[in-house]
Amino acid sequence: NAGVMQNPRHLVRRRGQEARLRCSPMKGHSHVYWYRQLPEEGLKFMVYLQKENIIDESGMPKERFSAEFPKEGPSILRIQQVVRGDSAAYFCASSLGLGLTDGELFFGEGSRLTVL
Amino acid sequence: DAKTTQPTSMDCAEGRAANLPCNHSTISGNEYVYWYRQIHSQGPQYIIHGLKNNETNEMASLIITEDRKSSTLILPHATLRDTAVYYCIVRVLGFQKLVFGTGTRLLVSP
Repeated sequence: NAGVMQNPRHLVRRRGQEARLRCSPMKGHSHVYWYRQLPEEGLKFMVYLQKENIIDESGMPKERFSAEFPKEGPSILRIQQVVRGDSAAYFCASSLGLGLTDGELFFGEGSRLTVL
Repeated sequence: DAKTTQPTSMDCAEGRAANLPCNHSTISGNEYVYWYRQIHSQGPQYIIHGLKNNETNEMASLIITEDRKSSTLILPHATLRDTAVYYCIVRVLGFQKLVFGTGTRLLVSP
């Protein structure tokens, strides 16, 4: 059973360009979470999605950032008009459910965005 | 979610037990204690979780005090590959997100 797959692993963008980060959850998982980790800092929650629905976006910046998790295909984190401060590692996690035995989050290896 | 307090860093000799403490004095009755770790630049990895009873799995043991205000993660025989940042998180079951603090940076040395 493949783990959480993220791509690209590394992405370089110039200021003002768009960045799209993809996350394929583990098979059967319908809950997806995105986290951001700035250099030398901790993980910050961004958004939680459950197939086609955004459940909690309390950690998402109000502008330029959006996330989706369509019925078919991976979850996408989209950053428009990137700025240097967006340079970070973006981690995706998935879970089967929310309960005691199925609420464990499995993380991908992250996508590292560098903005020049 | 209740806040947790962990030491910034700890050292451990290879082969010895690593005991990582965590204070969560404001934990409520329906909050579980979770431990994750992040090995350099990798995605966080689940270790163990518990409510009030001590728990053990193939990776570690979790000891929760009777009043539940603190807990200790025990790696019984630390190896160099256990060098990582360890996060103690309290979370209400059925609530989705994990809120990560600053964690404890464990350095296992030969």
